[in-house]
Amino acid sequence: RKEVEQDPGPFNVPEGATVAFNCTYSNSASQSFFWYRQDCRKEPKLLMSVYSSGNEDGRFTAQLNRASQYISLLIRDSKLSDSATYLCVVSGNKLVFGAGTILRVKS
Amino acid sequence: GAVVSQHPSRVICKSGTSVKIECRSLDFQATTMFWYRQFPKQSLMLMATSNEGSKATYEQGVEKDKFLINHASLTLSTLTVTSAHPEDSSFYICSASKRAGDEQYFGPGTRLTVT
Repeated sequence: RKEVEQDPGPFNVPEGATVAFNCTYSNSASQSFFWYRQDCRKEPKLLMSVYSSGNEDGRFTAQLNRASQYISLLIRDSKLSDSATYLCVVSGNKLVFGAGTILRVKS
Repeated sequence: GAVVSQHPSRVICKSGTSVKIECRSLDFQATTMFWYRQFPKQSLMLMATSNEGSKATYEQGVEKDKFLINHASLTLSTLTVTSAHPEDSSFYICSASKRAGDEQYFGPGTRLTVT
């Protein structure tokens, strides 16, 4: 079983749609949680950290459920520029990346 | 701030040759640097962690004699892929952090193709 599992997608959505990604992780001792964004053939860029209390950054909302070992990302009012691969990342003593979920926003 | 560069961005080499990739932190001192590898449609996989002035710590399954890592200064780490083979073709990404456990800043990656 992979340490971090994500639905690979792709999610094809129209502009303005709301889309949600989920991620599960296997190591209950994990301490920190993140969503990264990776554009094609580029390095990953930190999108936001994820906290149990839930956190929001503009159109992006992330949530962590430690009991279920489940992380989510909600994107509201999708823009064309949101098209990318979204990586769920879990950290203990190192960063462990999921394989990513592909999002394609179409006009 | 917190910019990391990698050189070269792309390299094509023949099987059996060695390739060196440089990772530099441009505007901060990086106590710790990391090397990752990403095959197409797969996740980034940590290869090794290097601390300035000490030997790198390699992840399970990564051959330290094949992937030589040198972190000689607080702004430079190098990864040398020795005797490269086509199966080593991948996207190699480094990251750097100011202190162990701090946020990692990623370089733009190096695409290696071994023919």
